Amino acid sequence: EVQLLESGGGLVQPGGSLRLSCAASGFTFSSYAMSWVRQAPGKGLEWVSVISGSGTNTYYADSVKGRFTISRDNSKNTLYLQMNSLRADNTAIYYCAKGGGDYQLLVPPVDHWGQGTLVTVSS
Amino acid sequence: SYVLTQPPSVSVAPGETARITCGGNDIGSKSVHWYQKKPGQAPVLVIYYDSDRPSGIPERFSGSNSGKTATLTITRVEAGDEADYYCQVWDITSDHGVFGTGTKVTVL
Repeated sequence: EVQLLESGGGLVQPGGSLRLSCAASGFTFSSYAMSWVRQAPGKGLEWVSVISGSGTNTYYADSVKGRFTISRDNSKNTLYLQMNSLRADNTAIYYCAKGGGDYQLLVPPVDHWGQGTLVTVSS
Repeated sequence: SYVLTQPPSVSVAPGETARITCGGNDIGSKSVHWYQKKPGQAPVLVIYYDSDRPSGIPERFSGSNSGKTATLTITRVEAGDEADYYCQVWDITSDHGVFGTGTKVTVL
């Protein structure tokens, strides 16, 4: 059974940093693209970032590019999201998401989601 | 950037059919995926690659995509189908994932 367990969320001041982690199990982690998707309070789903199975290929939403870094440790079956220069509009539930496969050109759909971790940016 | 537009809400009586549209420029040339999102729960993939259904998703859920509109159809709607539904594509031009604006399905 696929399991994705996020951690690292919490309250942080504007301008601060936070690192989210996602511990994965139940599948061959290195064979699948992994993503972060967020949902701000009362808002819709927003794609944040994706990383290929090997970790060599990454993409970011324009709203986070240059401030957020996605990475993975395939030896630990763990996905990360380093978030710097946080702003109030980054307040959201952040979901770890497993792709339906790896990618070359087209990123596959998400077939499993974690339960999410809440990030609150406020002074 | 690529934009996917959905109606904010759809209301349907139990047993009837709900149709949720997703509009985008030349969307017929893209692969569309649909997610169901209930409050306090993680999203669930209900349709992928326009019309494929993951295991465990009822046959009542189906999808189509042509021209300027993709459609998620839910037949014989049940109270448990009440949720927000989001379409999603991968925009190869920008190398971005894009979610639609979301549609709240209310079962009357």
